[in-house]
Amino acid sequence: KAGVTQTPRYLIKTRGQQVTLSCSPISGHRSVSWYQQTPGQGLQFLFEYFSETQRNKGNFPGRFSGRQFSNSRSEMNVSTLELGDSALYLCASSLGHFQETQYFGPGTRLLVL
Amino acid sequence: EDKVVQSPLSLVVHEGDTVTLNCSYEVTNFRSLLWYKQEKKAPTFLFMLTSSGIEKKSGRLSSILDKKELFSILNITATQTGDSAVYLCAAPGFGNEKLTFGTGTRLTIIP
Repeated sequence: KAGVTQTPRYLIKTRGQQVTLSCSPISGHRSVSWYQQTPGQGLQFLFEYFSETQRNKGNFPGRFSGRQFSNSRSEMNVSTLELGDSALYLCASSLGHFQETQYFGPGTRLLVL
Repeated sequence: EDKVVQSPLSLVVHEGDTVTLNCSYEVTNFRSLLWYKQEKKAPTFLFMLTSSGIEKKSGRLSSILDKKELFSILNITATQTGDSAVYLCAAPGFGNEKLTFGTGTRLTIIP
């Protein structure tokens, strides 16, 4: 079974631009969660989607948004990029709501200049 | 707010040594605690612990949970250079919508 895939793997953007990241969960998994990882803050939860609905959101500004499609694939969008948005963005999938074991993708490394 | 704290922050040992990594937590409606290993990119799942006092084992790695004292330990025996990584523990929050992660323990194994 293929694992979680994320595209692109690397991105360089400039301040003020926007970016869209994509995540394809493990086949059969319906829940997708997004995390931001930085050296200073560690892994922080962004949001979780289940059946195309956002179930929970972390403490991030409204510039961070996401969505999930009917095939469980998910996208994350960051608008008006700031230097501090440079990070590794990880998505994780699990079977469904209340399934705690999350499997992570390789991440997208975003650098904002 | 849910909190997960790991110690030590970093650890350097020689190959063959045994190490113990610690994770304490304060989580509303606790259900489980998870351990992950992160080498370069994606954290890979190691263990999920739900019951106190029951050791989970996978090769040289083992982990146990103490729900009374609110902590877990991860043991690695006969360490190898391939064990060098950041070890993360995490707990699902209320409703299990999100994982709260500790800052991780960076383990370095010297040959």
